[in-house]
Amino acid sequence: EAGVTQFPSHSVIEKGQTVTLRCDPISGHDNLYWYRRVMGKEIKFLLHFVKESKQDESGMPNNRFLAERTGGTYSTLKVQPAELEDSGVYFCASSSRTGITGELFFGEGSRLTVL
Amino acid sequence: RKEVEQDPGPFNVPEGATVAFNCTYSNSASQSFFWYRQDCRKEPKLLMSVYSSGNEDGRFTAQLNRASQYISLLIRDSKLSDSATYLCVVNRNFNKFYFGSGTKLNVKP
Repeated sequence: EAGVTQFPSHSVIEKGQTVTLRCDPISGHDNLYWYRRVMGKEIKFLLHFVKESKQDESGMPNNRFLAERTGGTYSTLKVQPAELEDSGVYFCASSSRTGITGELFFGEGSRLTVL
Repeated sequence: RKEVEQDPGPFNVPEGATVAFNCTYSNSASQSFFWYRQDCRKEPKLLMSVYSSGNEDGRFTAQLNRASQYISLLIRDSKLSDSATYLCVVNRNFNKFYFGSGTKLNVKP
């Protein structure tokens, strides 16, 4: 069974440009999360989808970030326009059910470098 | 104050040693607790859940102290392959997972 896949694995863009990150969760997983790790800091929650609905987007830093999950399958996270402080590793995770089990399956991350 | 605090390490131990990591969390409403393992430039993977009664999985033992808001992970008979960063993760409001910054372990031959 395929795991969580993310694309691209690494993106280097200039300040002011736009980048779109994609996440394909494990098939059948209704819950999809985006997290971010900025260098030297802890992994931080960005948002959570249940199917195509945004359950919680309280971690989104500002309105330059837009996440979508059309059809409840894959998700995209767009940063527009990108700023230097957006650099970091963006992880996507999925889980099969809502709750407190903690079994999050992570993708390998998309490393974003903004110059 | 951070939701989850961990000693970043690194902990440098010889093979066969026993090593313990600690983690504290700030919010008493936290509901469930986990240890994740992250290898260099890889994604985090669930190592084990942590239960109030304590739980063991082979060489790994996890403990939770709700009164002190403290979680621990004990690794016995360390292997070279245990070298990684160990993330303490706390869950609150069912789907809010809070991560510590991780404790780095280096097991030396």
